[in-house]
Amino acid sequence: DILLTQSPSSLSASVGDTVSITCRTSQSFSNYLNWYQVKPGKPPKLLIHSTSSLQSGVPSRFSGSGSGTDFTLTISSLQPEDFATYYCQQSYSTSLSFGGGTKVEIK
Amino acid sequence: QVQLQESGPGLVKPSETLSLTCTVSGYSISSDYYWGWIRQPPGKGLEWIGNIYHSGSPYYNPSLKSRVTISVDTPQNQVSLKMRSVTAADTAVYYCAGPFSISWYGGHFDYWGQGALVTVSS
Repeated sequence: DILLTQSPSSLSASVGDTVSITCRTSQSFSNYLNWYQVKPGKPPKLLIHSTSSLQSGVPSRFSGSGSGTDFTLTISSLQPEDFATYYCQQSYSTSLSFGGGTKVEIK
Repeated sequence: QVQLQESGPGLVKPSETLSLTCTVSGYSISSDYYWGWIRQPPGKGLEWIGNIYHSGSPYYNPSLKSRVTISVDTPQNQVSLKMRSVTAADTAVYYCAGPFSISWYGGHFDYWGQGALVTVSS
């Protein structure tokens, strides 16, 4: 099984800040990494697929990058609606897996 | 517009079987995509349960495989989940999601249901 380790597990930031979340994988692959946003009481929302492709309708302040075992989700100019928990997910293995999540809180 | 809706009992007794149905509208589950189940226990992260393709064998999370069955009902455009011998640790919000690429690699869940909270308690 592929283990996904997200860091940090939580962070505090202010509106307008740029934040980055890292997802480290236990096996190397490229382009098979997705990012989701989860808000309380709501289903997950796909933000980024295939490492860096922005899902339709998602603001351009969200971006993804990486390869090998290190992947990053960056949120530029954090907005009030961006305070949520973010998860990475790999689709390289036939056993899909999610990272442990990163909670982005208001400072 | 693609919509997914989970339905089923919200309370299940320990050792019994959890059964949920996901009704998909706006997309045929007979198309060449997988459909999946994911759960989120209260205060915890997301856990993949399994994926199914309408004419193929399902893939399951190895940690749940012995207790889980996912099936499709193509005339009803539904995907079902059964989880046997449940315990309190199976208390979670259960989501169905899809479509997920038939090629698997690079697949992602574009659409999600609102989720169904299932509590395991006597």
